Amino acid sequence: ETGVTQSPTHLIKTRGQQVTLRCSSQSGHNTVSWYQQALGQGPQFIFQYYREEENGRGNFPPRFSGLQFPNYSSELNVNALELDDSALYLCASSHVTGPHLGELFFGEGSRLTVL
Amino acid sequence: QQQVKQSPQSLIVQKGGISIINCAYENTAFDYFPWYQQFPGKGPALLIAIRPDVSEKKEGRFTISFNKSAKQFSLHIMDSQPGDSATYFCAASTDNFNKFYFGSGTKLNVKP
Repeated sequence: ETGVTQSPTHLIKTRGQQVTLRCSSQSGHNTVSWYQQALGQGPQFIFQYYREEENGRGNFPPRFSGLQFPNYSSELNVNALELDDSALYLCASSHVTGPHLGELFFGEGSRLTVL
Repeated sequence: QQQVKQSPQSLIVQKGGISIINCAYENTAFDYFPWYQQFPGKGPALLIAIRPDVSEKKEGRFTISFNKSAKQFSLHIMDSQPGDSATYFCAASTDNFNKFYFGSGTKLNVKP
C-alpha cells in the first residue's frame, strides 16, 4: 500500500511569486485535504477535495486554490506569495467509508520558504 | 479564534512516568476527537481517537479521557518511553470529517 507522497519537499520562492505543490493520495483514498503548519504550530485547514470538487474550505484567501484529478492526486496553488506563507504544507488523504473513517493519512509535507 | 486549545506547550517526563496533555474545545457540534503524533521531518500520524459517547478509550499505553460537560479531553501516556518523544496534537471535527481543527501542539521529551 503506497502512502501519501508530496513534492517538492523543499522550495524557496520570493514574495509575489506563485507556487504549485503536488500530492499523491494513498491508494484507495478519494478525499484529499491540505493543511498549513507554521513553525511551532498545529496544522491549519486550507481545503478538502472529494471526487474533484471542493468539499470545505478554511479561513484562507482566494489566492490559495486547489485541484483534484481523476486519479485523486491533488495540487495546491498559491499566488502572490507573502512572507507569512512560509510554512510546511501538509497533504492528507482519507476515505469516506471503511474502518479508517475519519483518519487523516499525512504526507511528510512541502517546506515553503518565502523571501 | 482558536477552536481547540492545547496545553502544556512542552513537557518533560522521566522514563516510566505518565505524560498528560490536555485539550479544550468550544464547539458542541464536534463529534470526533483524535490525537496525532508527529516526529521531526514527518507528517502527523493518528495515535488514538474518541467519540463523545464514551468517557475513556485505551489502546496499549495510550488513553484518552473525555469530559463532555466540561468540553475537555486529555491524552495519558503510561510508562512513557524515550521513543515517545515527539510533538502531540489534539484535534476535533464534526461527523462529516471534512475539516479538522488542531491544537497548537505539545512537545514531549521523555528523559532516559
